[in-house]
Amino acid sequence: EPEVTQTPSHQVTQMGQEVILRCVPISNHLYFYWYRQILGQKVEFLVSFYNNEISEKSEIFDDQFSVERPDGSNFTLKIRSTKLEDSAMYFCASLPAGASTDTQYFGPGTRLTVL
Amino acid sequence: LAKTTQPISMDSYEGQEVNITCSHNNIATNDYITWYQQFPSQGPRFIIQGYKTKVTNEVASLFIPADRKSSTLSLPRVSLSDTAVYYCLVSIMNTGFQKLVFGTGTRLLVSP
Repeated sequence: EPEVTQTPSHQVTQMGQEVILRCVPISNHLYFYWYRQILGQKVEFLVSFYNNEISEKSEIFDDQFSVERPDGSNFTLKIRSTKLEDSAMYFCASLPAGASTDTQYFGPGTRLTVL
Repeated sequence: LAKTTQPISMDSYEGQEVNITCSHNNIATNDYITWYQQFPSQGPRFIIQGYKTKVTNEVASLFIPADRKSSTLSLPRVSLSDTAVYYCLVSIMNTGFQKLVFGTGTRLLVSP
């Protein structure tokens, strides 16, 4: 069964550094999402992406965040200058065209630790 | 936005049926109800979705009464591997497709 993959599984960085989290969505999917989950808290929506542009973003997704689909397979989340509070699990999700929009397929996540 | 309320935690034993109820009093006419499962350090996984009455798949059943103000996820004969957090979500429409809005979920612990 095809699945969403994410790399790295764990990223440790220093405060103020830039990080790029990578996702490979399922190949025929057209909608892409990033969510985050701070340890012990809810899964929170960050951004959705369709047709090479952001469709919606939450208030968490400020100017420090950006997303990109640099080629036909990867979908990346960049944090320009990480803060301690950015430490969380980051999940990528994708969805094919025509599917129920609740049945998003999530990746295994990247654990980001900001020191 | 239709807010959901579900128990924080539940305990069960292997082989038992588990029913997790979710309240969504402000559900809108076009909203669907969806349940996700999340294991520790993994992404959420879709379990089941419904609009009204009963839906069943190979994993679970979803019961939705006529007023749709609540729903019940039923897991038959749970095993240890069903220990996870279960989220009840109500669809939120936005520009033709939807972001998912998760609550705090129900932490199910299945014991031997």
